[in-house]
Amino acid sequence: GENVEQHPSTLSVQEGDSAVIKCTYSDSASNYFPWYKQELGKRPQLIIDIRSNVGEKKDQRIAVTLNKTAKHFSLHITETQPEDSAVYFCAATAAGNKLTFGGGTRVLVKP
Amino acid sequence: NAGVTQTPKFRILKIGQSMTLQCAQDMNHNYMYWYRQDPGMGLKLIYYSVGAGITDKGEVPNGYNVSRSTTEDFPLRLELAAPSQTSVYFCASSYSGNTIYFGEGSWLTVV
Repeated sequence: GENVEQHPSTLSVQEGDSAVIKCTYSDSASNYFPWYKQELGKRPQLIIDIRSNVGEKKDQRIAVTLNKTAKHFSLHITETQPEDSAVYFCAATAAGNKLTFGGGTRVLVKP
Repeated sequence: NAGVTQTPKFRILKIGQSMTLQCAQDMNHNYMYWYRQDPGMGLKLIYYSVGAGITDKGEVPNGYNVSRSTTEDFPLRLELAAPSQTSVYFCASSYSGNTIYFGEGSWLTVV
């Protein structure tokens, strides 16, 4: 089955700086890669996703890049703000299969 | 449109007791999932279902059972509760295994 590894496990950045989280996946058939944000005590919520026919996708201050050859994808947050502090999860799935999540990255944005 | 609804939100169980966590979705999604999330940890898949009458084990199924008699409902049964089952349980649903929508979670403590 699919295996997703996520790094780093914790990330501390100064407000206004950029944050980058990286994930690798094992199943070359995977074609859908979402990112979820989970605030303390809340449910995970989808923030951005990318499909395997696209190399990069951007939504305001967040962007995701995908390298299918290397089987890795990354989340980029620019101009970080205190409200970006949360745990972020990457995930991967092949069509019609269950999502496999990475272990999560705890991001702390220091004012 | 309520999305994914879980009940109860909080529950304390004694060791050896049994209970059912209820989950319902009103988005006509075919896929439904149960995840558990231990404190400070990632999401582990317990069971999932690709449609009514079909269920399958995930990563950590021991001590749990599920059923999927309708498209809308996917209850999770805990038999003989153990302290190791203290966790937050998230029900989720998706259309064909892609974007997952989570319920608000059920906080379970076994004492």
